[in-house]
Amino acid sequence: QLQLQESGPGLVKPSETLSLTCTVSGGSITNNNYYWGWIRQPPGKGLEWIGNHYYSGSTNYNPSLKSRVTIFVDTSKNQFSLKLISVTAADTAVYYCARLPSGSGTEWFDPWGQGALVTVSS
Amino acid sequence: SVLTQPPSVSGAPGQRVTISCTGSSSNIGASYAVHWYQQLPGTAPKLLIYGNTNRPSGVPDRFSGSKSGTSASLAITGLQAEDEADYYCQSYDSSLSGYVFGTGTKVTVL
Repeated sequence: QLQLQESGPGLVKPSETLSLTCTVSGGSITNNNYYWGWIRQPPGKGLEWIGNHYYSGSTNYNPSLKSRVTIFVDTSKNQFSLKLISVTAADTAVYYCARLPSGSGTEWFDPWGQGALVTVSS
Repeated sequence: SVLTQPPSVSGAPGQRVTISCTGSSSNIGASYAVHWYQQLPGTAPKLLIYGNTNRPSGVPDRFSGSKSGTSASLAITGLQAEDEADYYCQSYDSSLSGYVFGTGTKVTVL
């Protein structure tokens, strides 16, 4: 059974870089039937898609975050990571990693990691 | 959010409730599939319905999805106390070239 687990600092200072890693167990991150994505949820608010990494090596980011986001894969560790630069308090959220089945606009997120709360504060 | 849901719905145990998800011609109306997630308090979202109408293994058949035009709906029949949660729809949007979520609906069991 595939499991995902987020890890990284829970506190980041304003203007610095948020870095999170998602460790995948129970399956290979190189499986070309799947994409790997990040979603976030500010406290008490709804879900926002951040971006995906495709098996081809390409990425797709939410236009509202595109200038600040990078998602990359480390196949040797079966992990994928998120970097968000120049963070502000508005980036405070629970960050989730998830898998998507490959498709053409039909994809869904399943399973999800348990989530990692990242607070942006000095 | 690009997809609009009612903030809350409620019902007594055993009743049927429905949650709407209204989109536009660049997402649901463009024939992109709609998926639904259940988020219990303090936990990560869990896939409830995928591809408009399909239930993953383990999801009770009390949950069903439908889609028509630029909208989709999630129905919960035989409402149970354990169904009290937040529910989100999700689709793909061609104008954004990315994935969009609904605003979320809190289901309360009276």
